[in-house]
Amino acid sequence: AQSVSQHNHHVILSEAASLELGCNYSYGGTVNLFWYVQYPGQHLQLLLKYFSGDPLVKGIKGFEAEFIKSKFSFNLRKPSVQWSDTAEYFCAVNSQGRRALTFGSGTRLQVQP
Amino acid sequence: DAGVIQSPRHEVTEMGQEVTLRCKPISGHDYLFWYRQTMMRGLELLIYFNNNVPIDDSGMPEDRFSAKMPNASFSTLKIQPSEPRDSAVYFCASSTGTRMNTEAFFGQGTRLTVV
Repeated sequence: AQSVSQHNHHVILSEAASLELGCNYSYGGTVNLFWYVQYPGQHLQLLLKYFSGDPLVKGIKGFEAEFIKSKFSFNLRKPSVQWSDTAEYFCAVNSQGRRALTFGSGTRLQVQP
Repeated sequence: DAGVIQSPRHEVTEMGQEVTLRCKPISGHDYLFWYRQTMMRGLELLIYFNNNVPIDDSGMPEDRFSAKMPNASFSTLKIQPSEPRDSAVYFCASSTGTRMNTEAFFGQGTRLTVV
């Protein structure tokens, strides 16, 4: 069975600080990895995804993530956060055998001006 | 494209009443997912369909929950009878089946409150 762990539940940063959110998954086969963002009161939107190729993936709004297969990790990064990045961030995985996404518990990011 | 459309956006109902949530997926998408989001349990998959056929309903909490997809453009999630612990935000999402790595597109969600 697939599972996703996000160890940071709540992160508070000041504007311009760098961000790294951890994501580890558990699955023995080939996976596709996703980061979604949920702004307050809104639906989930895709930030970026990885399925093959270059393990460093760039997404929207300056976000990027690195897939490290040996560590089963897919951490999200942003060099300089803005107040508008305040949101909840979800890591998710699916695989050839299971089309539906399995989500981590989410990380609530609060950026202080 | 209008995206995934869910209705109603908010629903307040009394315990014991029947609740029906509706979803219209993106045209051409052949996968449809129902998720539930709560503070305690996060985002949980309830059920998903492929070409209108339920593929995995192992996340449906109990027999009070049922989901149907009578055609490619409409799905319902029904709770009967509803209980306060069913209070949550219910999201519908859809995706295409052509490649596994295509993302799921989410609707705005239905916030259900059972009092």
